[in-house]
Amino acid sequence: AQKVTQAQTEISVVEKEDVTLDCVYETRDTTYYLFWYKQPPSGELVFLIRRNSFDEQNEISGRYSWNFQKSTSSFNFTITASQVVDSAVYFCALSEGGANNLFFGTGTRLTVIP
Amino acid sequence: DAGITQSPRHKVTETGTPVTLRCHQTENHRYMYWYRQDPGHGLRLIHYSYGVKDTDKGEVSDGYSVSRSKTEDFLLTLESATSSQTSVYFCAISETGRTAGNEQFFGPGTRLTVL
Repeated sequence: AQKVTQAQTEISVVEKEDVTLDCVYETRDTTYYLFWYKQPPSGELVFLIRRNSFDEQNEISGRYSWNFQKSTSSFNFTITASQVVDSAVYFCALSEGGANNLFFGTGTRLTVIP
Repeated sequence: DAGITQSPRHKVTETGTPVTLRCHQTENHRYMYWYRQDPGHGLRLIHYSYGVKDTDKGEVSDGYSVSRSKTEDFLLTLESATSSQTSVYFCAISETGRTAGNEQFFGPGTRLTVL
């Protein structure tokens, strides 16, 4: 069975600090995809990144970076020099090769304090 | 932004009444999904569609039905609403399904309250 665990329910940081959001997944498939979504206070879900199981290269996009490690079944998300606009709930999700849906973690609420 | 709209955006109804939520897309994507979001559960799949008149159940489908008569519209119906169906409902679309990564884009959500 597939599972996504986001153990950090809430995190607070002061602006300009770096913060890492943890995501641990479980799957028996060898082909799968991992995602991160952002849900700001306005409520919409914003797609951030997709990574497939055959690509373990880390990715950087501006202040955002993602560390995918199959050895530890983790897909962690780091925000460098956090800003107030980063305050949101962040969801990690998993899609297995044989499934048509995303399995979401319970989310981490990030609050960036000015 | 993906062209996805949901209607209504907010609805308050009473237990036992039927409710229909509509999702409309302008992207001509094949796959459409309905999720519900509840505290402590993240998002959970209710039903999805992989083409016109082709639908399948998700993780939490009991008490819900769906229909898709056109590519652009996906309807979610609560035949007899219960208080446990109070939630925020999100529609999502994707161009491809499981074989190609299943990247999904979400609508703005509908907040449903069942009294």
